[in-house]
Amino acid sequence: AQKVTQAQTEISVVEKEDVTLDCVYETRDTTYYLFWYKQPPSGELVFLIRRNSFDEQNEISGRYSWNFQKSTSSFNFTITASQVVDSAVYFCALSEGDSNYQLIWGAGTKLIIKP
Amino acid sequence: DAGVIQSPRHEVTEMGQEVTLRCKPISGHNSLFWYRQTMMRGLELLIYFNNNVPIDDSGMPEDRFSAKMPNASFSTLKIQPSEPRDSAVYFCASSSDRYTDTQYFGPGTRLTVL
Repeated sequence: AQKVTQAQTEISVVEKEDVTLDCVYETRDTTYYLFWYKQPPSGELVFLIRRNSFDEQNEISGRYSWNFQKSTSSFNFTITASQVVDSAVYFCALSEGDSNYQLIWGAGTKLIIKP
Repeated sequence: DAGVIQSPRHEVTEMGQEVTLRCKPISGHNSLFWYRQTMMRGLELLIYFNNNVPIDDSGMPEDRFSAKMPNASFSTLKIQPSEPRDSAVYFCASSSDRYTDTQYFGPGTRLTVL
């Protein structure tokens, strides 16, 4: 069973629109960590956020915000007023347990921002 | 601060040749990871080092692949002999000396084996 599901394979929006990328995870551990990474067309993997299972506070960083809901096992990512530079593949990842270096990756969502 | 440094950024080689990929982790980070990314399989963890010691190499595809970390600031991933199916982007990542700390990735090496 897939442990990290990013159901949206590709999303295309026009610049300045808001867009939400979904991430649903599955784990039996009470301690776990969730991550978002961005992979722009240039290919590098850029860390965006890390959240532990005990911190359900939503996070905002500029135009980026994250909504962590344990009740629905989701960790969704919203870009407000999207820009062309936001075009990338976005990966959600899960690390289970308190001493596990293994990242379980979602398949990624390709986000296309049209000018 | 310098991030993870990888070289070369691009490598094109012929089947059967030896390929060596290099990585310099972020200073002060004690954990180092090598990943491979392909369209078919996504991101795969190849090997994990902690304090220069290989801890988990279960992801290394076969004996043609080997990795070393002679010191805290340098690691290599070697493929000998290379095959076309090894074509992929290889990433190096590092994190501080805690298992679940954030992994910071290098820019990757795009390997093409003809």
